[in-house]
Amino acid sequence: AQTVTQSQPEMSVQEAETVTLSCTYDTSESDYYLFWYKQPPSRQMILVIRQEAYKQQNATENRFSVNFQKAAKSFSLKISDSQLGDAAMYFCASANTGNQFYFGTGTSLTVIP
Amino acid sequence: NAGVTQTPKFQVLKTGQSMTLQCAQDMNHNSMYWYRQDPGMGLRLIYYSASEGTTDKGEVPNGYNVSRLNKREFSLRLESAAPSQTSVYFCASSRFKDYEQYFGPGTRLTVT
Repeated sequence: AQTVTQSQPEMSVQEAETVTLSCTYDTSESDYYLFWYKQPPSRQMILVIRQEAYKQQNATENRFSVNFQKAAKSFSLKISDSQLGDAAMYFCASANTGNQFYFGTGTSLTVIP
Repeated sequence: NAGVTQTPKFQVLKTGQSMTLQCAQDMNHNSMYWYRQDPGMGLRLIYYSASEGTTDKGEVPNGYNVSRLNKREFSLRLESAAPSQTSVYFCASSRFKDYEQYFGPGTRLTVT
């Protein structure tokens, strides 16, 4: 089984500033995928960004980027120019090619105006 | 294009009652999933169906059964509900090639 660890239960950031959310994972698979999902108070799970393990280049989506360190099994999410709408619970997740998904316990992000 | 839909949105059951949670997707995805979300636990995979006609256990399958009725629909059944099954249940679907999941809005289930 894979495990995904998010060691920061809560984080806060000033509006317009940058924040980094941490995630580590443990897998014996050579082929896997990593994800960051956002869950606002509406409860809807929204995909923020995806990284394929075989790709060395870090994924970016507008203000969101990842720092993927494969050897260290680390997958952190950087949010630049934080906005009030970024306030949510953020989940890190991994998936292997066998369709098994594993989620971390989440980081609650507060954005301070 | 509704994406992933779930019914019902809320449900209260008494211990020992049974019920089925319904999930449907209109994105022609091969794979579908059922998760439960408990406070402080993140999402945990209950069952998944990699393709029509197949189902497999996830991390926490005990107390649940599933049916992949066709490519669109994947239901989750609680045969004899227990208070430990009080949770928020999410259905999701994904393309086969990249595992990018799309989630339904969730069902909040309370078992008293």
